[in-house]
Amino acid sequence: KQEVTQIPAALSVPEGENLVLNCSFTDSAIYNLQWFRQDPGKGLTSLLLIQSSQREQTSGRLNASLDKSSGRSTLYIAASQPGDSATYLCAVPPSGTYKYIFGTGTRLKVLA
Amino acid sequence: GAGVSQSPSNKVTEKGKDVELRCDPISGHTALYWYRQSLGQGLEFLIYFQGNSAPDKSGLPSDRFSAERTGGSVSTLTIQRTQQEDSAVYLCASSSSGTAYGYTFGSGTRLTVV
Repeated sequence: KQEVTQIPAALSVPEGENLVLNCSFTDSAIYNLQWFRQDPGKGLTSLLLIQSSQREQTSGRLNASLDKSSGRSTLYIAASQPGDSATYLCAVPPSGTYKYIFGTGTRLKVLA
Repeated sequence: GAGVSQSPSNKVTEKGKDVELRCDPISGHTALYWYRQSLGQGLEFLIYFQGNSAPDKSGLPSDRFSAERTGGSVSTLTIQRTQQEDSAVYLCASSSSGTAYGYTFGSGTRLTVV
């Protein structure tokens, strides 16, 4: 059974810091991995989608890496800003399925 | 439409009443999902529709929950005889092909049962 864990559960950093959010999954036979952002009281916004054949994806100040064999993904946020404050979720579809299993998220607060 | 649209955005209902939540997926997306997010909890899969195939209802928590998707587009999630534990944010997502291209989520419906 696929299980997704995100560490840390919460993180508070001063503005301008580079930071890394971690996601680990137990079944490495995944099709892809998606990172989302959720603002309080809102839905989920897709940030990056990494296919299983890829090692990383970049979008602006965000870079996500994927190491399937070790069951890990990291989301790197460069030069963090207060507007980056949100909960970050990773999700993977277990092998042979069509639905994502979500981690419980990392709640990020960037202080001005 | 340009995104996934959910309505209402907020719903307060009395215990025991029935509620209907609506999801309008991105035009052309064949896959539609419902998830539930309870306070402080992760996302819980409820149901999945793919084209004209029979839906995967394996995540529905009880027979009070049902969903339909008419004409392969709009979906309605119905909760009968609501209970306080049904209070949560109900999120809908659509995809052009299962998980191959990732999900796009709507902004959710916050349901409060009083």
